Amino acid sequence: EAGVAQSPRYKIIEKRQSVAFWCNPISGHATLYWYQQILGQGPKLLIQFQNNGVVDDSQLPKDRFSAERLKGVDSTLKIQPAKLEDSAVYLCASSLAQGLAKNIQYFGAGTRLSVL
Amino acid sequence: AQKITQTQPGMFVQEKEAVTLDCTYDTSDQSYGLFWYKQPSSGEMIFLIYQGSYDEQNATEGRYSLNFQKARKSANLVISASQLGDSAMYFCAMREFENSWGKLQFGAGTQVVVTP
Repeated sequence: EAGVAQSPRYKIIEKRQSVAFWCNPISGHATLYWYQQILGQGPKLLIQFQNNGVVDDSQLPKDRFSAERLKGVDSTLKIQPAKLEDSAVYLCASSLAQGLAKNIQYFGAGTRLSVL
Repeated sequence: AQKITQTQPGMFVQEKEAVTLDCTYDTSDQSYGLFWYKQPSSGEMIFLIYQGSYDEQNATEGRYSLNFQKARKSANLVISASQLGDSAMYFCAMREFENSWGKLQFGAGTQVVVTP
């Protein structure tokens, strides 16, 4: 079974530029998550989708970050304009359904973003 | 307030020895789950083991076991017979079921280096 796919793996941009990340979850997984992992810290949830609806975006900086999950499968996360502090690894994860008690989240390899 | 605390930023362990990684958590929910993930240098978060708050037995998965002490709010990971491939960052995470959409809250992680 294929895992969570993310692209690109690495991205270097200058501040004030825009960037987009793509995620393809495990087939059949209804729930998709985007996390931001700053160097030396644990991942922090940015946004969570259940199918194509947003269920939690409380920690998403909405003035510059946006995300969508059209048709309830693939998702894109966009930053516009980027700031230096956005340098981080952006991890996508998916799980079968949020209602399950165990609800294991499976992660992709992440996109490492450097903002110069 | 920090929900998950991992007090050991880094540890060295010799091959074939056992190592214990500490994790304490803070919640007022009665129903919650605790997860451990491994993050090698490649970046992907790999699920290791899960413990539910109502599980009476400590969880085990191969060489991984979880020492769950509910009254002390601790969920330490024990890796037995360490292998060189165990060198990685290890994250403890919690999901609170009563007021959560499945969001995982991560600690800052512990870097483990296994030496020959």
